[in-house]
Amino acid sequence: EAGVVQSPRYKIIEKKQPVAFWCNPISGHNTLYWYRQNLGQGPELLIRYENEEAVDDSQLPKDRFSAERLKGVDSTLKIQPAELGDSAVYLCASSYSPLVNEQYFGPGTRLTVT
Amino acid sequence: DQQVKQNSPSLSVQEGRISILNCDYTNSMFDYFLWYKKYPAEGPTFLISISSIKDKNEDGRFTVFLNKSAKHLSLHIVPSQPGDSAVYFCAASAGYNDMRFGAGTRLTVKP
Repeated sequence: EAGVVQSPRYKIIEKKQPVAFWCNPISGHNTLYWYRQNLGQGPELLIRYENEEAVDDSQLPKDRFSAERLKGVDSTLKIQPAELGDSAVYLCASSYSPLVNEQYFGPGTRLTVT
Repeated sequence: DQQVKQNSPSLSVQEGRISILNCDYTNSMFDYFLWYKKYPAEGPTFLISISSIKDKNEDGRFTVFLNKSAKHLSLHIVPSQPGDSAVYFCAASAGYNDMRFGAGTRLTVKP
């Protein structure tokens, strides 16, 4: 079974530039999560999807961050414009149901904003 | 605010000995606790979990203990192996609400 796929794995951009991350969850997993992990800290939830609906985006900085999950499968997280403080690892995770606590994580995208 | 705390950023043990990783939480509504393991350049991998109705859960070399009165849980790895060297994250959730993670403990198992 293929795991959660994320791309790109690494991204370096200058501040004020836009950037987008892509995630393909495990087949059959209806719940998808985007996390941000700052250096030396644990993952922090940005947004959670149930199928194509964003059911929890309270931690998403909506002035510059946006996300979508068209057709309830793949998802894209975008930052526009990026700031220096956005440098972090962005993790995507999925689970087959919101009633399951165990989540399966992708390898993450390491973003560096210069 | 940090609702889940892992106060030891690192731990080093000898191969074959016991590794004990600790985690404290502040939110009394948390009722499900998980441990994730993370290797470099990979995402966290689920390791073991425990519900608040239990005080112990075992899976092979890994055992998680929960002390609800102290709001404390620990992960025991016996015997420790060099392949266990990784960062371990403690996580907690209230019902099926989203998980809160600790900052992680880097475990090094020396041969």
